[in-house]
Amino acid sequence: EAQVTQNPRYLITVTGKKLTVTCSQNMNHEYMSWYRQDPGLGLRQIYYSMNVEVTDKGDVPEGYKVSRKEKRNFPLILESPSPNQTSLYFCASSLSRPTRSTNYGYTFGSGTRLTVV
Amino acid sequence: QKEVEQNSGPLSVPEGAIASLNCTYSDRGSQSFFWYRQYSGKSPELIMFIYSNGDKEDGRFTAQLNKASQYVSLLIRDSQPSDSATYLCAVARGGGFKTIFGAGTRLFVKA
Repeated sequence: EAQVTQNPRYLITVTGKKLTVTCSQNMNHEYMSWYRQDPGLGLRQIYYSMNVEVTDKGDVPEGYKVSRKEKRNFPLILESPSPNQTSLYFCASSLSRPTRSTNYGYTFGSGTRLTVV
Repeated sequence: QKEVEQNSGPLSVPEGAIASLNCTYSDRGSQSFFWYRQYSGKSPELIMFIYSNGDKEDGRFTAQLNKASQYVSLLIRDSQPSDSATYLCAVARGGGFKTIFGAGTRLFVKA
């Protein structure tokens, strides 16, 4: 089954304790992205990756790191989590970036609900 | 001003009616436009894509794009209770590398 798999689904951690949220897709997609979803603010892009070893910042990258060493994996790293990073996180992938005529919409993972206390 | 704006709702329509959802965007260079549906507690799923002015129909869904006025809309005909969800408008810009989402409109279809 074609899917984007995120782990863990739920995570409660303490301020300053490094954590990694994993994301893996089995569709050979080039493009992957991380979003956080907060009430009233919608989905905000954290980082994206156009291909292996190619990543760039989204709109809210502060406090996050990513890496893309393999095409299928795109982990999100919080080096020193803070309470304002409490949120619902989604990993998403698409075959490529959407252009004028190509319907490269996202397939989303199931989400990771992170609480930082 | 947010880059992609939607009325948060809730929008309530009776079963069988047409639900109309609207979205405006600020970047005139935006190229591709998407509608996603998100059920409560679930992840978003893609339902419509449009890139040229005019209408695009897929089953009960019609997406409308007006680039001059910078708005995108989604019409859901013969609305069903199963259509009750939050609908997210998304706009691809920056050469398609960045996709910006609106905060979503909650739709409630009454049986």
